[in-house]
Amino acid sequence: SQQGEEDPQALSIQEGENATMNCSYKTSINNLQWYRQNSGRGLVHLILIRSNEREKHSGRLRVTLDTSKKSSSLLITASRAADTASYFCATDGAIEYGNKLVFGAGTILRVKS
Amino acid sequence: DTGVSQNPRHKITKRGQNVTFRCDPISEHNRLYWYRQTLGQGPEFLTYFQNEAQLEKSRLLSDRFSAERPKGSFSTLEIQRTEQGDSAMYLCASSQRQGAYNEQFFGPGTRLTVL
Repeated sequence: SQQGEEDPQALSIQEGENATMNCSYKTSINNLQWYRQNSGRGLVHLILIRSNEREKHSGRLRVTLDTSKKSSSLLITASRAADTASYFCATDGAIEYGNKLVFGAGTILRVKS
Repeated sequence: DTGVSQNPRHKITKRGQNVTFRCDPISEHNRLYWYRQTLGQGPEFLTYFQNEAQLEKSRLLSDRFSAERPKGSFSTLEIQRTEQGDSAMYLCASSQRQGAYNEQFFGPGTRLTVL
């Protein structure tokens, strides 16, 4: 079963706008990771944020983590048509939950040019 | 290319046939994971190896599924007596570290269609 949920399920924006996607989860975590998947392809790792971190940046990506609310957000600034993809958050649980990643159902992002 | 590779990329088979997929992880990574992804969903964990030892298996991995990593390098996932419900993308990932730094890198996947 899926760990949590991404919100929104789908997002359509104009090129140049910012896109924000949210993720909620249920268990204790070691880290939370965000991935991108283009249609029918494998997953591309975007960013990892550890449980003791609150914010992390990578290029046009900004990720926040609130462990008290068990939630994370991914912000993509100045979006481009090439950012069109599905975005997944995945949690790496505390050791009692094993070493697997548990994914949400994803947010489908469409950036219109 | 030093990323994770998977073969074949696509497999079409008839119900009841056996299929085998291969995953070659990033060479220095000692952890290897298999996930399954169906349309419109996120990947779901199937099993993982640390070196050649299979350390965890999901309840999704029925008796018809078996995975091996004989020398701690490449891995194979076999599905026996395939069913239409097995149609999915099968993803492999590898990682080098554990715990808070367990960054997993995924291959392109093998898309299985069972007719």
